[in-house]
Amino acid sequence: SQKIEQNSEALNIQEGKTATLTCNYTNYSPAYLQWYRQDPGRGPVFLLLIRENEKEKRKERLKVTFDTTLKQSLFHITASQPADSATYLCALEGLYGGSQGNLIFGKGTKLSVKP
Amino acid sequence: DAGVIQSPRHEVTEMGQEVTLRCKPISGHDYLFWYRQTMMRGLELLIYFNNNVPIDDSGMPEDRFSAKMPNASFSTLKIQPSEPRDSAVYFCASSSQGGRRFEEQYFGPGTRLTVT
Repeated sequence: SQKIEQNSEALNIQEGKTATLTCNYTNYSPAYLQWYRQDPGRGPVFLLLIRENEKEKRKERLKVTFDTTLKQSLFHITASQPADSATYLCALEGLYGGSQGNLIFGKGTKLSVKP
Repeated sequence: DAGVIQSPRHEVTEMGQEVTLRCKPISGHDYLFWYRQTMMRGLELLIYFNNNVPIDDSGMPEDRFSAKMPNASFSTLKIQPSEPRDSAVYFCASSSQGGRRFEEQYFGPGTRLTVT
C-alpha cells in the first residue's frame, strides 16, 4: 500500500534561515504532489502543487522540488519568519478511483521559527 | 464565498449517543471529502463523493459510521453509537475537478468531537 513519510515531526530554526522539510513516499508513483499548511485549530490550507514532470516550483519564498527517482519532495521556506510557524503536510494523489484526484496525507512536520 | 462550512465546531457527547456532523461545500465544487485527524494517525480519508455519489468509503472505520450527500450543498457524517476512540477532529473538504486530477482541496474549520 502507499506509504508517505515526513521524516521530521518537528523542526526548529532561527528567523531568517531557510527551512527544509522532507516528504518521502513508497510503493507508488503519483502524478502530482501537494503541500498544505495547517495552523492550530484550523483546517489545512493549500500552498503548492507540483506535477511529476516538473522538477521545481516556486511561489514567493516557497520552493518545492519533486524527485520521482528518489521518491522524494523537498519543501523550502527561505528567509523564514515567526509567522511561518505551523504544521506542513505533504499529500499525494491517492489510488482510489484512479483519476478522481483524492489525496493521501503525510502526518506533517511542525515548524517553529524563533525570532 | 464563505468557504467550506462545518457544524458544530465542537461536540461533546457520551458513549453510545448518536453524533451527526454537517458540511456545506463551496458552491460549484463537485467533490466532497470527509477526513478524520488524530495525533496518532494524522489526517485520514474516510469517504469521498463526486456529484453527490459516494465513490469510495473504504476509509470508514466501521459500520457505526455512515455518510450521506442528499444534494450538492450538504453532507452529513453520522456515528452511531459513538465510542471514546472516535474522539478526533473531523474535517470536510471540497474541490472542483471537473475531470481534471490536479486541483487543490479546500478544507473547513473542522469539528472537534469528544466522546466521554
